Amino acid sequence: ILNVEQSPQSLHVQEGDSTNFTCSFPSSNFYALHWYRWETAKSPEALFVMTLNGDEKKKGRISATLNTKEGYSYLYIKGSQPEDSATYLCAPRVTSGSRLTFGEGTQLTVNP
Amino acid sequence: DAGVIQSPRHEVTEMGQEVTLRCKPISGHDYLFWYRQTMMRGLELLIYFNNNVPIDDSGMPEDRFSAKMPNASFSTLKIQPSEPRDSAVYFCASSLGGNNGYTFGSGTRLTVV
Repeated sequence: ILNVEQSPQSLHVQEGDSTNFTCSFPSSNFYALHWYRWETAKSPEALFVMTLNGDEKKKGRISATLNTKEGYSYLYIKGSQPEDSATYLCAPRVTSGSRLTFGEGTQLTVNP
Repeated sequence: DAGVIQSPRHEVTEMGQEVTLRCKPISGHDYLFWYRQTMMRGLELLIYFNNNVPIDDSGMPEDRFSAKMPNASFSTLKIQPSEPRDSAVYFCASSLGGNNGYTFGSGTRLTVV
């Protein structure tokens, strides 16, 4: 079982603030890192799949970076909006199989 | 595509009863996953299939849990007998594999009283 840590556990920001949070994972046998967005009462939705060290992905106001050598990824949200309120999950994958191991997530609340 | 379809959406059952959760993956997806969401453990992988074959069932809590995938378009997760500690939301997800993401179903909220 992979040790995946996400921090902070929860975060409250004001509308318009930019924010970021961290996913840490074992750097050995790295294959890919997935980010998911999970709104309350819905199911997780894929945001990004990242594979290369130094990778940066962007989707609208959300972006993510990846450092496979030190085993971390950052997710950034620029100009947070209330609709960004959700739990953001990261999930690394190792070479041995197709399973993802999900972190416990960062719960983001954006106050209007 | 209708996405991953799970049924039922909600299930309330009495302790000791058999419960069957159902999942229809996205057509063409080779991988199917069963996850359980609990307050204590977040999203916990129970079992996954590749081309209908169970690959890793190490997350299945105990013998009361079983899962099958008789064909590429259908899977079941069965709990017999159910216990109150099985109460959770059970998600099914499917994927093309490789570096593709997972598509999750809407989940089944199971309450065992």
